[in-house]
Amino acid sequence: GQQVMQIPQYQHVQEGEDFTTYCNSSTTLSNIQWYKQRPGGHPVFLIQLVKSGEVKKQKRLTFQFGEAKKNSSLHITATQTTDVGTYFCAGPSTGNQFYFGTGTSLTVIP
Amino acid sequence: SQTIHQWPATLVQPVGSPLSLECTVEGTSNPNLYWYRQAAGRGLQLLFYSVGIGQISSEVPQNLSASRPQDRQFILSSKKLLLSDSGFYLCAWRRPGAEAGNIQYFGAGTRLSVL
Repeated sequence: GQQVMQIPQYQHVQEGEDFTTYCNSSTTLSNIQWYKQRPGGHPVFLIQLVKSGEVKKQKRLTFQFGEAKKNSSLHITATQTTDVGTYFCAGPSTGNQFYFGTGTSLTVIP
Repeated sequence: SQTIHQWPATLVQPVGSPLSLECTVEGTSNPNLYWYRQAAGRGLQLLFYSVGIGQISSEVPQNLSASRPQDRQFILSSKKLLLSDSGFYLCAWRRPGAEAGNIQYFGAGTRLSVL
């Protein structure tokens, strides 16, 4: 079946360092979404990528969709303590189902 | 604007007791509705989804069930809870139709502890 894997599973960075999480799907995705879940909270939508090779930016966050539409990445420049949380990618499956990636938990050390 | 309500926020239940978690959405019609479970420190596992009243699709066979008695109401139930049912239960909605994109909006979640 379809699988969406994320690496790394955990990442600890010093405040000010950059951070990147990678999302890899076993199948081609028509689109991909990224979510952030703060500790103790619920996932919150960040962005959706649709086009092959698409790059979108939100302030210090840069999202990229691979040319083959099977992988994606989220890069955070100069991390801040407010960036702490778990970042998930998600892609559609058949029908109205979605598969979430395994998530990357980011810890920012002040 | 659309809002999603999920309750209770926290629940402690004994093994073998029944369960009923409710989720309601406001400000939209005919949403796609989802129930996910998240174990501590883990990813999201899709349990059920619904595209309309009375239409439920199950992803994982287990002792949980879901119902959608009204357009914007989604209920997760169990007749007898197991220890393994402990976790963080999240309800989510999505606008129907491919043109709406695949963005899901999550409720605040219910932390269930089965003891």
